[in-house]
Formats: sequence, structure tokens, C-alpha cells
Amino acid sequence: QVQLQQWGAGLLKPSETLSLTCAVYGVSFSDYYWSWIRQPPGKGLEWIGEINHSGSTNYNPSLKSRVTISVDSSKNQFSLKLSSVTAADTAVYYCARGGGITAAGIWFDPWGQGTLVTVSS
Amino acid sequence: SYELTQPPSVSVSPGQTASITCSGDKLGDKYACWYQQKPGQSPVLIIYQDNKRPSGIPERFSGSNSGNTATLTISGTQAMDEADYYCQAWDSSTVVFGGGTKLTVL
Repeated sequence: QVQLQQWGAGLLKPSETLSLTCAVYGVSFSDYYWSWIRQPPGKGLEWIGEINHSGSTNYNPSLKSRVTISVDSSKNQFSLKLSSVTAADTAVYYCARGGGITAAGIWFDPWGQGTLVTVSS
Repeated sequence: SYELTQPPSVSVSPGQTASITCSGDKLGDKYACWYQQKPGQSPVLIIYQDNKRPSGIPERFSGSNSGNTATLTISGTQAMDEADYYCQAWDSSTVVFGGGTKLTVL
């Protein structure tokens, strides 16, 4: 059974860097792409970006200048860093299995438990 | 940038059929998928590749995609199906989500 467990700081001040990590259990890490998705309170979902086991990344153009997704394949973990955060970055952040542009389409399954990150001075 | 449009809300009576639409330019030429999200929970994939159901998803959930519209259909809607539903596709190497539809079962 695939499980994703995520953690990271939940309260940040403006201009700080958001940092989250997601650990993957129960599946071959190298067989998939892994993504980060966020959801502001009461709003919809926004894809942040993706990475594979070898470190190949793809980012949402709207966030690309501030986002870094990295991988530690030896630990079956991948991480998100979002720099220069503002109140607009307040959201629940999810990690998920899925990504990689293919003719078969993209879907995300399963998702991590989510981490609420609040940006406030 | 590519956009997917969903109705903000849909209401259905228990036992009836609910249909939730997702519109985007030439969406039928892409693969669409659907997620269910209940309050305080992570989204759950319920349809992928337009009409495939992951293991464990009830048969009452079905999907279609043609032209500019993908549709999620819930047959014999149950009270437990009350949730937010999101469609998703990708375009130009970017993943796009619809704005979400709140399904009310009353």
C-alpha cells in the first residue's frame, strides 16, 4: 500500500522560505514522478511542480521563479522549497504520486495528509 | 494559459443522478481526471484517463470526455457523496485543475 507522509514548518513570516519534505512508502520510488500541490483555505487546487528519482523537474510557470523541488532517492523522499513567501502563499500543501508528461495523461494518487502553512507577521 | 471551468455548485436528491461538467478548449483531445475531496481530507482520485476508476472506487462513479467538456456522473447518488469535486488535465507541460464543484445531496 502506497503511503506518503509529509512534514515541515507550519508558520512562517513574510520573506522566509517554506520547506516541506515527503517520504514515500510501499512503492518503487524510481518508477514514478512525484508532485507538490497546494490549496489556499476555502479555495481550489494549484499544481506547484514535479520531480522524478533522477532529479528531473517541471514547475508551474506562475511559481517557477521561487520554487525548488529536490529528491533524495536513497531515502525515498522529495522536498519542496518556496522562497520569499507572502500571505498569498498560505495554503495546505500536499505531496502526491504522479506527474511526468506522457500520452497517457497525468493523475495524482495517492496524496499525502497535507500540511497547513500559514504566512503571517 | 489553459483553463478548466466547473460550475461552483450542483445539487441532487438521494438516489438520483448527478452530473458535474468541466469545460476547456479541446479538452476532449486531452485526458481528464476527477478528484473527490471531503472537508478536512486530502483529495482522492476517482476517475483517470477520462473514464477509468481506480481500485476501490464505486461503480456509480463514471466519466466521459468529448469535444470541450468532460463530465463526471454519479449514479444513485448517496449522502456520502456530498463533497467537492475537481477535474484536472494538463496542457503545455503544466497541470491544470478546475475550480471545483460543491455537490450537495439533499
